[in-house]
Amino acid sequence: EMQLVESGGGLVQPGGSLRLSCAASGFTFSSYEMNWVRQAPGKGLEWISYIDTRGMGIYYADSVKGRFSISRDNAKNSLFLQMNSLRAEDTAVYYCARERSYGSTALFYYYMDVWGKGTTVTVSS
Amino acid sequence: EIVLTQSPGTLSLSPGERATFSCRASQSVSSGSLAWYQQKPGQAPRLLIYGASSRATGIPDRFSGSGSGTDFTLTISRLEPEDFAVYYCQHYGPSPLFTFGPGTNVDIK
Repeated sequence: EMQLVESGGGLVQPGGSLRLSCAASGFTFSSYEMNWVRQAPGKGLEWISYIDTRGMGIYYADSVKGRFSISRDNAKNSLFLQMNSLRAEDTAVYYCARERSYGSTALFYYYMDVWGKGTTVTVSS
Repeated sequence: EIVLTQSPGTLSLSPGERATFSCRASQSVSSGSLAWYQQKPGQAPRLLIYGASSRATGIPDRFSGSGSGTDFTLTISRLEPEDFAVYYCQHYGPSPLFTFGPGTNVDIK
């Protein structure tokens, strides 16, 4: 069974740091691009970061650029999100998600087909 | 930046009824970049539809997606009790990489 399990969430003071982890199993982790998506309490989904299969191509949402850092360890089937300078507005459930992107010049598909259950980050004094 | 608008915000229906809701993009998008997700309270999102109209693995055929350009639709032909949830559309674009609509909440009438 394909599975993603996040960990590392918790309560942190504004300005603090946290490192989230996402453990993958049931599929060849190194073959897939990965993303982090978050959801603030009572709000919708917000994509925040992407990493390609080798960790060379990386993108961030403007809301976290310069504060968050995504990385992966393919040997350990793990994805990470280092979060620094945390703010109250970073309070959310953080999900890791497997990306599927494939197709031809006629039509290319992009979506996230496997999601973890999420880990909760609360930024508060 | 492409903005996704979903309507209605809330849809109140009874089991067995047909549910239809809309996702509109602020400019024309490729069908391949449009997906739909279902999210129940306290759970992670689940992929329903990708490429605007292809059902994901294990998704019942009562779920269908259609549309092109700026207007996309998700239809549930006959609502089952487990279908009451929030539905999000998603677009893949250059920046940000993924954009989600605000969601449509389907609740029990």
